[in-house]
Amino acid sequence: GAGVSQSPRYKVAKRGQDVALRCDPISGHVSLFWYQQALGQGPEFLTYFQNEAQLDKSGLPSDRFFAERPEGSVSTLKIQRTQQEDSAVYLCASSPGGGTGTGYTFGSGTRLTVV
Amino acid sequence: DQQVKQNSPSLSVQEGRISILNCDYTNSMFDYFLWYKKYPAEGPTFLISISSIKDKNEDGRFTVFLNKSAKHLSLHIVPSQPGDSAVYFCAASELMRFGAGTRLTVKP
Repeated sequence: GAGVSQSPRYKVAKRGQDVALRCDPISGHVSLFWYQQALGQGPEFLTYFQNEAQLDKSGLPSDRFFAERPEGSVSTLKIQRTQQEDSAVYLCASSPGGGTGTGYTFGSGTRLTVV
Repeated sequence: DQQVKQNSPSLSVQEGRISILNCDYTNSMFDYFLWYKKYPAEGPTFLISISSIKDKNEDGRFTVFLNKSAKHLSLHIVPSQPGDSAVYFCAASELMRFGAGTRLTVKP
């Protein structure tokens, strides 16, 4: 597709359930980012991939959060044993370059609600 | 630790007037800044950027100003249009630290 695609669009999870969020970046884009956006806040950085290498995961809030991009294209953000504070919109972005300083293309996000 | 701050959560202006959105940052090592625009239920879209070697970048109705000594940047929209109503985020390079956003409402 022409843009960054995220699925599912909405996800409701019961507290304690595991969830997996998918991001299909623009074909050929080297860099992929995950962000968490709580209501009324700006996107908070979670993790960054360059191809299949996870170069920075400093933003992941706990060891319940895990991200992978095994073939350097599609990425999955997994959250284990979800908690209510995990409720947020999870945004994925990709960019063609290998470094920072370029504009990124964002997906529409996955809205996760933990009940 | 908020390294990028947008202190005005909302701004309302009349159509045709100038909108000025402000952003402050704390890390003097940041050297590239971006503005994103976000409509409800959509991801942010890139609007305009500026490198620290410049103090101004203009693109149509949008101009971004950078004051490195004050660690401050601003986005000017002139003339403002109702379709500009959205949430605007500033972001700094180095893994894209975002501000909390300013919701702009342009009234017809």
